[in-house]
Amino acid sequence: EAQVTQNPRYLITVTGKKLTVTCSQNMNHEYMSWYRQDPGLGLRQIYYSMNVEVTDKGDVPEGYKVSRKEKRNFPLILESPSPNQTSLYFCASRGTGGLIYGYTFGSGTRLTVV
Amino acid sequence: AQTVTQSQPEMSVQEAETVTLSCTYDTSESDYYLFWYKQPPSRQMILVIRQEAYKQQNATENRFSVNFQKAAKSFSLKISDSQLGDAAMYFCALGSQGNLIFGKGTKLSVKP
Repeated sequence: EAQVTQNPRYLITVTGKKLTVTCSQNMNHEYMSWYRQDPGLGLRQIYYSMNVEVTDKGDVPEGYKVSRKEKRNFPLILESPSPNQTSLYFCASRGTGGLIYGYTFGSGTRLTVV
Repeated sequence: AQTVTQSQPEMSVQEAETVTLSCTYDTSESDYYLFWYKQPPSRQMILVIRQEAYKQQNATENRFSVNFQKAAKSFSLKISDSQLGDAAMYFCALGSQGNLIFGKGTKLSVKP
């Protein structure tokens, strides 16, 4: 089944403790992206990657890192999480010629930083 | 900069009735696509309908249709014969080469 897999689905952590949210897709998609969703703000893009070793900042990149060493994986790293990063996070992907088909989203990761 | 605006934070519709969700956007790109995504309480993002900007014909998917007014940069979603399962957050999104930009969403309630 074609899908984007995010892990974990839920995570509670403490301020300053480094964490990684994993994202993997099995559709050989070139493009991958991370979003955060907050009430009243919709989904805002954190980082995106057009292909392996190619990443760029979205609208809200501060406090986040990403890497794209393999085509299928695009982890989101919070090196020193803070409470304002408590949010619902989504990973999404699409193929190069697949904009018309929209993006495939993961199931989301609910992160709470205390 | 590209923007997407949904001016209705919440909407309500009676079961079996029709409702229209509004969306306006701004972009300087000539090649772009527009989408409506549905997010039920399960929080999964589900693609409802898509529209290529170069096509004048409005997209339709079963009970869902759009009114695409390119000159006005408007992209509204019409849901006909509303069902209880349509209750969800709906996001309008603008996609171009490297980006997918979302509006803030409209929460749709369906009354039995």
